[in-house]
Amino acid sequence: EPEVTQTPSHQVTQMGQEVILRCVPISNHLYFYWYRQILGQKVEFLVSFYNNEISEKSEIFDDQFSVERPDGSNFTLKIRSTKLEDSAMYFCASSARGDTQYFGPGTRLTVL
Amino acid sequence: AQSVTQPDIHITVSEGASLELRCNYSYGATPYLFWYVQSPGQGLQLLLKYFSGDTLVQGIKGFEAEFKRSQSSFNLRKPSVHWSDAAEYFCAVALVSGNTPLVFGKGTRLSVIA
Repeated sequence: EPEVTQTPSHQVTQMGQEVILRCVPISNHLYFYWYRQILGQKVEFLVSFYNNEISEKSEIFDDQFSVERPDGSNFTLKIRSTKLEDSAMYFCASSARGDTQYFGPGTRLTVL
Repeated sequence: AQSVTQPDIHITVSEGASLELRCNYSYGATPYLFWYVQSPGQGLQLLLKYFSGDTLVQGIKGFEAEFKRSQSSFNLRKPSVHWSDAAEYFCAVALVSGNTPLVFGKGTRLSVIA
């Protein structure tokens, strides 16, 4: 069964450094999403992406964040200058028609 | 604002016992409804979903959920819990217009005892 994959599974970085989190969505899906889950809190929406542009973004997704689909398979989330409060589990999701979203295993980001 | 409430933070049940996890939502109209499960160290796996039609939906791993419009609820049930069901369960909703963000509840952690 096709799955969403994410790399790395765990990323440790210093405050102020840039990080890129990578996702490979399910191959025939057209809609892509990033969510995050700070430890002990609920899963929160960051951004959605369709037809090579951002469809919607939350208040969390400020100028420090960007997304890109650099080729036909990858979908990336970049955090330009990480802060301590960016430490969280980041989930990528994809959807064929924009209704049911399938999630990857997540990348745990630790900012020191 | 739209919201999802899972009133139980932690539930412990005995293996073989029945289970019901509660979910209530606050939306202007009936949204799409989902239950996801997160096992330790794993991602979010879709258990089941409700878009329209029959209000009792069947999912994977023997789970079912019932949509009750009058109560704005979408409770998850399983008649006999297995030790492997121990995990975090998340209810989520999305607007019916499509390609809209999921709004999650805070989750219910399920522990299963022998």
